[in-house]
Parts: sequence; structure tokens; C-alpha cells
Amino acid sequence: EAGVTQSPTHLIKTRGQQATLRCSPISGHTSVYWYQQALGLGLQFLLWYDEGEERNRGNFPPRFSGRQFPNYSSELNVNALELEDSALYLCASSLALALNEQFFGPGTRLTVL
Amino acid sequence: AQTVTQSQPEMSVQEAETVTLSCTYDTSESDYYLFWYKQPPSRQMILVIRQEAYKQQNATENRFSVNFQKAAKSFSLKISDSQLGDAAMYFCAYSSYGQNFVFGPGTRLSVLP
Repeated sequence: EAGVTQSPTHLIKTRGQQATLRCSPISGHTSVYWYQQALGLGLQFLLWYDEGEERNRGNFPPRFSGRQFPNYSSELNVNALELEDSALYLCASSLALALNEQFFGPGTRLTVL
Repeated sequence: AQTVTQSQPEMSVQEAETVTLSCTYDTSESDYYLFWYKQPPSRQMILVIRQEAYKQQNATENRFSVNFQKAAKSFSLKISDSQLGDAAMYFCAYSSYGQNFVFGPGTRLSVLP
């Protein structure tokens, strides 16, 4: 069974640009979560999608947005990139409506120059 | 809102010895799950062990076991016979139905040969 996949592995952008990160959940999982992990730090919750709907979002500005597609894959968009957006972005998936175990992808390393 | 606290930013243990990582949480829910996740230096986050709040018996997975104290809202992880491959960041996490996962700040574990 394929795990959670994320693309790209690495992404380098400059200040002010936009970044798009992608995530494919495990087959059968309807919930997708996005986290930001700055170097050496913990996970900061960004967004949670389930069945195509945004269920919750963390304390991040509106330039962080995303969506979930009918096949349950998801995109995270970051507009007007700032230097402090440089981080590892982790995607996780689970069966519906949390409670169950989250399975994590390998992450996308975003570097903003 | 639920919170998860890990009071030990860093821990070290001698190979083959036992180490205990601490976690406390705050919730008003009666039914929830608790998790310990491991993030090795290669960054892929994996589940170590899971505890269901309604189960009084502490979960065990080979060398990993938990001490779940529901009244005290404490959920510690014990690693027995520590191995070099146990070196990683360990995150305690909480989830309840319909709520997004909440992660603690993490404990960096070093294993000394």
C-alpha cells in the first residue's frame, strides 16, 4: 500500500513569490492535514481538510491557503512568500474526522531566499 | 482548547539503558487518543505507540511502553534497551473526534554508544 506522498521534495523561491505544495493521501483516507515545521522545532498546525471541506485552520495569515480535490489529494498555497516561511511542510492523512492515527508524508522543504 | 506539553526539550540515554519521556495534556473530553510519534533525522514521522483513553491498560509495542495516567492527564513513553536507531525527535500528540491533532513541542533523544 502506497504511503502519503508529497511533491516536490525541495522548493526554492524568492521573497514575494508563490509556492504550491502537493499531497496525496493514503488510499481510503479522506482527511488531510498540513503542518509547518521550522528547522529543529515542533509542528505548527496549518490546515485540515476532510471530504473536500476545510475543517480547521491554525494561527497563520490568509496568504496560507489550500484546497482538497475530489480524489482527496490536497494543495497548500503560500502567497507573497516571506523569509520566515522557510520550513519543512508536512502533510498527513487519516481516516475521516481525526481520532485515528495520522500517517505522514516525507515533507517538502521550502526555502525562501 | 486542548494543549500538549513536553517538558524535556532534550534527553540522552546510554545504549541498552531505559529512558522515559514525559508528556502532559489538557482536555475536557472523556474519549480521546494519545500518540507518540518519532521523527528520525531523515525526517519521516512514524507512529511509535497509541493509547485509547477508555482503555485502562497501558499500551506496549516491543521495547516501547506508555504510562497512561488519565486523572493526572499524563502520558509518558518508556523506551527499554535503547538502541542507536532510537535517536530522534519524539512528539506526543492528542486527538479527539472531530478535532484536529494537537502535537507537543517535542523531545530530542540522543542515544550514547
